Parts: sequence; C-alpha cells; structure tokens
Amino acid sequence: VQLVQSGAEVKRPGASVKVSCKASGYSFRNYVIHWVRQAPGQRLEWMGWINAGNGDTKYSQKFQGRVTITRDTSATTAYMELSSLRSEDTAVYYCTRGQYCTTFNCYLGIWFGPWGQGTLVTVSS
Amino acid sequence: DIQMTQSPSSLSASVGDRVTITCQASHDINNRLNWYQQRPGRAPKLLIYDASNLEAGVPSRFSGRGSGTDFTFTISSLQPEDKATYYCQQYEDLFTFGPGTTVDIK
Repeated sequence: VQLVQSGAEVKRPGASVKVSCKASGYSFRNYVIHWVRQAPGQRLEWMGWINAGNGDTKYSQKFQGRVTITRDTSATTAYMELSSLRSEDTAVYYCTRGQYCTTFNCYLGIWFGPWGQGTLVTVSS
Repeated sequence: DIQMTQSPSSLSASVGDRVTITCQASHDINNRLNWYQQRPGRAPKLLIYDASNLEAGVPSRFSGRGSGTDFTFTISSLQPEDKATYYCQQYEDLFTFGPGTTVDIK
C-alpha cells in the first residue's frame, strides 16, 4: 500500500494549488482518502475527506468554501485543491488512507495510515 | 469542537527508560483515540488505534490505554529510533490532533 504525492509548489497569495495523491497496492474505491496539513512547527490539522468509491466529501469548517477534494478512480488518484491562498497556508500537505467502505456504508473505526510523503506548499509574494 | 491536549510537550530520556505521555480530550470521546509517531522530516505513522490496539508491524514496546477523556501512551523501553514527536488524535467528532510530545534521547 502506497500513497505518492505530487511535488513541492510555490504560489502567490490569492492563487490556487492542486495537490495529487496516487494510490497503489489496494482497492482504491474501498477506502476514504483524507487530507491533513502541517504548518511549520504546528500540529497536524485535518482538512477533509473523500469517499473514493462514491465521491462523497466532507470538509473541515475552517476550509469550507476554499478546499475541493476530488478523485479519479481510473487513475486511483485523489486531489486536493486549495484556493485564495494566503501566507498562513504555507504548510506540508499530506494525503492519508482512512476508513474502509463498502457499497453501502463505511467502517466506524477511523485511523489514518499509510500516509503520502507530503507536499510542501509555499505561499509567498 | 473537541480540543486535545498533551503533556509533557517535550521530554528527554535515556535508552531503556519507560516513557509515558498523556492526552486529554475536552469531551468524552469513548475510545476513539489514535496515536501517531512523526520522525523529523517524515510523514506521521500510525502506532495505536482505538486507544489500545497496536497497529500491525509496530513493536510491542508501544502501548496505549484509556477511555472517555483521559489517555496514556507508553514506550516501555525507549530505543534510539523512538526519537520523534508523538501525536494523539480523536475521531469522535471529525478529527483533531493534540499538540504533540517531542521525545529526545539523552
């Protein structure tokens, strides 16, 4: 099981960034992918998830309206796009596999693993 | 929102020492509490899920216990490769992480 993320990005304030997360080694459609970020010296912060099977999403209220998580099942890849970037968005962004889902529901136990290697997004003018 | 706190924020211990970290939730989270290890410059790694269950492949010197609002994480015999920051995380109400405990080796 492996998650491989796209490379580092440098963006201007106000721009958008789209980070990809390529999954392999498991049934992509049967799991949720979560996005978590870590600003320099800060704790981990959950941003949102996507059910890779049915495409359902849920976002942290903090990022609602600015974050969009999508997936391409044929490419077994999830994407996280963050818009209206500001300097405080400078962080390492991680994707991670979450809960197992069937066609009808998802497992109630939720823990994150494995994780992608992280993508550094720097927002600077 | 459920807030998570951890103590201590950092510690230094010798190889072979027993190390204990505490994590407290602002509301009852039942046993919906996970522990992660993050080595410098690396992604986090799941160690313990549902408060006390050891993830496959994780050494048995790591353990966790607790329920409700108070939890502990223990390394029974500290090893050099355990130098890392450890985070607790709740999933009773969405997901929040503790501030982390940095473990250093004397």
